Amino acid sequence: SQQGEEDPQALSIQEGENATMNCSYKTSINNLQWYRQNSGRGLVHLILIRSNEREKHSGRLRVTLDTSKKSSSLLITASRAADTASYFCATAAFYDSWGKLQFGAGTQVVVTP
Amino acid sequence: NAGVTQTPKFQVLKTGQSMTLQCAQDMNHNSMYWYRQDPGMGLRLIYYSASEGTTDKGEVPNGYNVSRLNKREFSLRLESAAPSQTSVYFCASSESDTQYFGPGTRLTVL
Repeated sequence: SQQGEEDPQALSIQEGENATMNCSYKTSINNLQWYRQNSGRGLVHLILIRSNEREKHSGRLRVTLDTSKKSSSLLITASRAADTASYFCATAAFYDSWGKLQFGAGTQVVVTP
Repeated sequence: NAGVTQTPKFQVLKTGQSMTLQCAQDMNHNSMYWYRQDPGMGLRLIYYSASEGTTDKGEVPNGYNVSRLNKREFSLRLESAAPSQTSVYFCASSESDTQYFGPGTRLTVL
């Protein structure tokens, strides 16, 4: 069963606009991560937020985490055509020490010039 | 550094055939993972290896076996392929929290 559920499933925006996607999960976590997957490629790690953190920034990325609501959001500011990709949230369970991740189904983002 | 490499990139099998997917990493990571990705379902963990010499089942292990040959290499074997195993397979490795993924193997079972 999937731990993370992303919303929306698909998002279409124009260059320069912001893209926001959300992730909800079910069990207590140690950390939550976001990955990007370009078409036909492997996943690339974007950002990690730990359970005791509420917000984190990396370049044009902003991630928030609300453990009381078991949800996270990823904001990409000033989108570029190169941001076109699928974005996945992944959670590391609190009780799991082996680094296993559970992935959501992803949000497909299309940025048009 | 090549990171995580996978072979082959593409494979077509007939039902009942067997094959081994190869994965190697050059980052000296202890942990390695095999996932499958199906449309609309994200990645599901098949098997993982927390360290050389150990392997454990993930979420969807049925129909698969793995071997952690050494610290670098982690192979996935399909003994008798079924159409339900048509998927894209990803190998990943990690030392702490972040996982590094290979480019994937696209497998079709007819």
